[in-house]
Amino acid sequence: QSALTQPPSASGSPGQSVTISCTGTSSDVGGYNYVSWYQQDPGKAPKLMIYEVSTRPSGVPDRFSGSKSGNTASLTVSGLQAEDEGDYYCSSYAGTNTLVFGGGTKLTVL
Amino acid sequence: EVQLVESGGGLVQPGGSLRLSCAASGFTFSSNWMHWVRQVPGKGLVWVSGLNSDGSTIKYADSVKGRFTISRDNAKNTLYLQMNSLRVEDTAVYFCVRGFKGGTDVWGQGTSVTVSS
Repeated sequence: QSALTQPPSASGSPGQSVTISCTGTSSDVGGYNYVSWYQQDPGKAPKLMIYEVSTRPSGVPDRFSGSKSGNTASLTVSGLQAEDEGDYYCSSYAGTNTLVFGGGTKLTVL
Repeated sequence: EVQLVESGGGLVQPGGSLRLSCAASGFTFSSNWMHWVRQVPGKGLVWVSGLNSDGSTIKYADSVKGRFTISRDNAKNTLYLQMNSLRVEDTAVYFCVRGFKGGTDVWGQGTSVTVSS
């Protein structure tokens, strides 16, 4: 039940694209197409942004996209906007009905 | 509106107990996996426990196994987390979360648990 590995920080200027990685193992990220991404603002509950690796819930801008290769999943935010600032977490199904989260990445819009 | 509202957090001494509750509304509670996830302020999210729609399948993180008990009352649309033998390191905000597509989707606002003497 080790946490997924995310970079502690990421940044980009408005309009640019930024990609956040989420590295696990073949027992979680690599073994299932059940990677989710969440955005969390300070003092708030996380908000689902991506599920099943690359599917956006209704209401999430198409600037947010997800992908996976091997044991690493990625969240890409294109056309960065100031409102995209916040903490981003990945999660993965880890087998036997358990979940694992990443350590979080603080996204700063410069 | 789909909503999860946690309650029951507070200050407790090490070794003490606390019972968290989560009231669900706006969806068919009895059809969903439910989870508890915690977060130390300023730190990351950590999955704590989950159970299936009828409560027959239950899972715990190793860090809480044997001390915490998750349960649900589908008639009351309520999820519970009984926390015993609490430790200082259990101090966190506890979120009630709906299971969805191998992850989660709906989150409550969280309830704060502080374990301190």
